[in-house]
Amino acid sequence: GAGVSQSPSNKVTEKGKDVELRCDPISGHTALYWYRQSLGQGLEFLIYFQGNSAPDKSGLPSDRFSAERTGGSVSTLTIQRTQQEDSAVYLCASSSRHSLQEAYEQYFGPGTRLTVT
Amino acid sequence: QKEVEQNSGPLSVPEGAIASLNCTYSDRGSQSFFWYRQYSGKSPELIMFIYSNGDKEDGRFTAQLNKASQYVSLLIRDSQPSDSATYLCAVNGNGGSQGNLIFGKGTKLSVKP
Repeated sequence: GAGVSQSPSNKVTEKGKDVELRCDPISGHTALYWYRQSLGQGLEFLIYFQGNSAPDKSGLPSDRFSAERTGGSVSTLTIQRTQQEDSAVYLCASSSRHSLQEAYEQYFGPGTRLTVT
Repeated sequence: QKEVEQNSGPLSVPEGAIASLNCTYSDRGSQSFFWYRQYSGKSPELIMFIYSNGDKEDGRFTAQLNKASQYVSLLIRDSQPSDSATYLCAVNGNGGSQGNLIFGKGTKLSVKP
């Protein structure tokens, strides 16, 4: 079946502008995760959704970052007033299940490369 | 904060050899362990996961978990040039976020023909 999809694949924006990044998870996957990967760095966890709920927002770097998920499916990550340090690849992953006690397999989308000029 | 450590490499092995990739983690209570492969410019691809001590084999890949020593390793037998990539180790999060993954920075593997 279809994997995780993300759009756009590339986004170049000017400093101070707002951007929206979209993630469409694998059909039937209830859990959805957002990560950020900067050049030469590891994956940084941002936020996860179980259904439409985001119980843990502590990974979001600042209050300029927000995310929502509707219908238990598509998620949007919004970055307001973008800064150059926001430049990174934003990755979305989904999983068929999520537990507070242990982690399960996560499948990644192709990512959105964000460049803030 | 839980830490996941990997040697950044590059680890260079000849084609046909066994590549051994290692990962250590700081939280003794960690339960779930994952290996991802990431080709340059691509997103991570799940290779294996392991929850119990010991070995888990899948084709040319073997994951080894030793909870007492807090390390997990990935062995790639009969390495191929197509295995050249960065390999990411991931461990479940801590506290109330054990469903999340914490990633190491990855080990770059180069398989020489």
